Amino acid sequence: DGGITQSPKYLFRKEGQNVTLSCEQNLNHDAMYWYRQDPGQGLRLIYYSQIVNDFQKGDIAEGYSVSREKKESFPLTVTSAQKNPTAFYLCASSSTSGGFIGELFFGEGSRLTVL
Amino acid sequence: GEDVEQSLFLSVREGDSSVINCTYTDSSSTYLYWYKQEPGAGLQLLTYIFSNMDMKQDQRLTVLLNKKDKHLSLRIADTQTGDSAIYFCAESIGGATNKLIFGTGTLLAVQP
Repeated sequence: DGGITQSPKYLFRKEGQNVTLSCEQNLNHDAMYWYRQDPGQGLRLIYYSQIVNDFQKGDIAEGYSVSREKKESFPLTVTSAQKNPTAFYLCASSSTSGGFIGELFFGEGSRLTVL
Repeated sequence: GEDVEQSLFLSVREGDSSVINCTYTDSSSTYLYWYKQEPGAGLQLLTYIFSNMDMKQDQRLTVLLNKKDKHLSLRIADTQTGDSAIYFCAESIGGATNKLIFGTGTLLAVQP
């Protein structure tokens, strides 16, 4: 079945460590996104990519990095520079051509806890 | 700046109607969206409305758009316990239909 797979589902990290969250999609979508979800703050955009080898910062990119070497993969690294990394992270993808444009397909999320 | 606002919580009884409200800021948004998030999961698109429409109905869901006031609402008729979830309003930014700004989300609790 087509969809978006995020891993790991739960992750614990010590302060000062970098951690990478995986996001893979087999929907043949060009665009991919990373959002952060905190209680009472909704979803905030971290990074997005509209095409392979290109990505743009979202509203809260500081302390995060991404790469887009393959169409199906958009990993997010949470670096030690991110001051408050404990959150629920959501990856999404969307089509940029044909039919209705604007539906984001989300993974099930990765919950990161910094100890 | 861009800001999409929603009330944080709504409680209704099973069988009643639910109305979730949202205000947005970008008047150039092409589409406005409602997404649903069930516990511990990602979001799913529930419905959307094109910016030149006032209303859209889809089974138990009715979306109302007031462009003058930049106000969007979602009405769920005959609310069921399975409708309990967080509902997010979202707008597309600057006419770009695949970059969305989400609201804070409204937690809908349906009491049996």
